[in-house]
Amino acid sequence: ELKVEQNPLFLSMQEGKNYTIYCNYSTTSDRLYWYRQDPGKSLESLFVLLSNGAVKQEGRLMASLDTKARLSTLHITAAVHDLSATYFCAVESQGGSEKLVFGKGTKLTVNP
Amino acid sequence: DTEVTQTPKHLVMGMTNKKSLKCEQHMGHRAMYWYKQKAKKPPELMFVYSYEKLSINESVPSRFSPECPNSSLLNLHLHALQPEDSALYLCASSQDFLRRASGRAITDTQYFGPGTRLTVL
Repeated sequence: ELKVEQNPLFLSMQEGKNYTIYCNYSTTSDRLYWYRQDPGKSLESLFVLLSNGAVKQEGRLMASLDTKARLSTLHITAAVHDLSATYFCAVESQGGSEKLVFGKGTKLTVNP
Repeated sequence: DTEVTQTPKHLVMGMTNKKSLKCEQHMGHRAMYWYKQKAKKPPELMFVYSYEKLSINESVPSRFSPECPNSSLLNLHLHALQPEDSALYLCASSQDFLRRASGRAITDTQYFGPGTRLTVL
């Protein structure tokens, strides 16, 4: 059974600092997604990572995928308050299923 | 248009009521999903429809009844709910499922609607 673990679950950082969120998964998978969720809102798709070594960047966020290590990272550069949200990684489940398994989420708070 | 719409935004119902949640997308997506999300938790998959047929039911109680009238619409019919069913209900859609040579499906980016905040009294 696929398990997806994120850490940290809570992250409080100051504006201008850098930090990384980690997403580990337990079985082979070819696709990994990162979503953002603001309080009381829906999920917004950030990145889809399709292959080993994939790197995608959007603004101050950069996501990477290492399928051999079963690890994805979401790196935040020079954080700003607007990045405060909960970030989820989600991994495609195996076995012919059209199912994503979500991590527990990382609640990011960026303080002025 | 990359929008998934859901109605209503908020719903309060008693345990004996019957209500329905509605979801609509006009992106030509052929896969649609219902998720339940409790506070401070990740979304939990409930149902998946692929080409208007139910393909996944994650052992959801029968008091939740999904329906896909056509490729753009997805409903969730609610009956005799319990207070613990109070949650944010999210609808999502994605492109056709790709199939590898092995026949195994590949998921695609799911686009989420704004959700319905359901309170069961």
